[in-house]
Amino acid sequence: DSGVTQTPKHLITATGQRVTLRCSPRSGDLSVYWYQQSLDQGLQFLIQYYNGEERAKGNILERFSAQQFPDLHSELNLSSLELGDSALYFCASSASLAGGPHNEQFFGPGTRLTVL
Amino acid sequence: AQSVSQHNHHVILSEAASLELGCNYSYGGTVNLFWYVQYPGQHLQLLLKYFSGDPLVKGIKGFEAEFIKSKFSFNLRKPSVQWSDTAEYFCAVNPSGGSYIPTFGRGTSLIVHP
Repeated sequence: DSGVTQTPKHLITATGQRVTLRCSPRSGDLSVYWYQQSLDQGLQFLIQYYNGEERAKGNILERFSAQQFPDLHSELNLSSLELGDSALYFCASSASLAGGPHNEQFFGPGTRLTVL
Repeated sequence: AQSVSQHNHHVILSEAASLELGCNYSYGGTVNLFWYVQYPGQHLQLLLKYFSGDPLVKGIKGFEAEFIKSKFSFNLRKPSVQWSDTAEYFCAVNPSGGSYIPTFGRGTSLIVHP
């Protein structure tokens, strides 16, 4: 158990819908990262938050957005869903400021999103 | 931007066989290197990491990796695999500086037959 929790574990929805994925980082970790894992694209970094502020952006679509709340949990919002958005979405957390070279990321169990 | 290549997408071995998974990266500067493992149905967890010093790094569960700077490689090795090593293995690289967001390879699926 990494200490990072994600809900829900599984989500099945239809095209055009909107969903929210939730992540609670390890106790004390200020940085939260979101990744998308699909069969054809591998593990893709989406976005990072540190202590409530966006710190880095990766290959995140405009239809996707995220935020980190004062209690440090984070939510990833996916809207106007398409079939191709079906994937595993992982959250990771780390302790250090803005990541850091010696910074290990701790991953949550993931949310499997299926868009029908 | 840096990129990471894992050339072996699927590897199938018998127990006690030796393992080497390739990882090459493209980035001209100083990098930090990681191998993560994802067991079936579980989250990614760190196997080992390299930041500086001895280029031969030892990790958990008997895994090791060697950083060869001239070849831009960080291959993962284990002398004798077990059925419980069946998992997905990811190599990751981040430059020493900047945002420190790692770039992951596409992963290698390892199946070990008992």
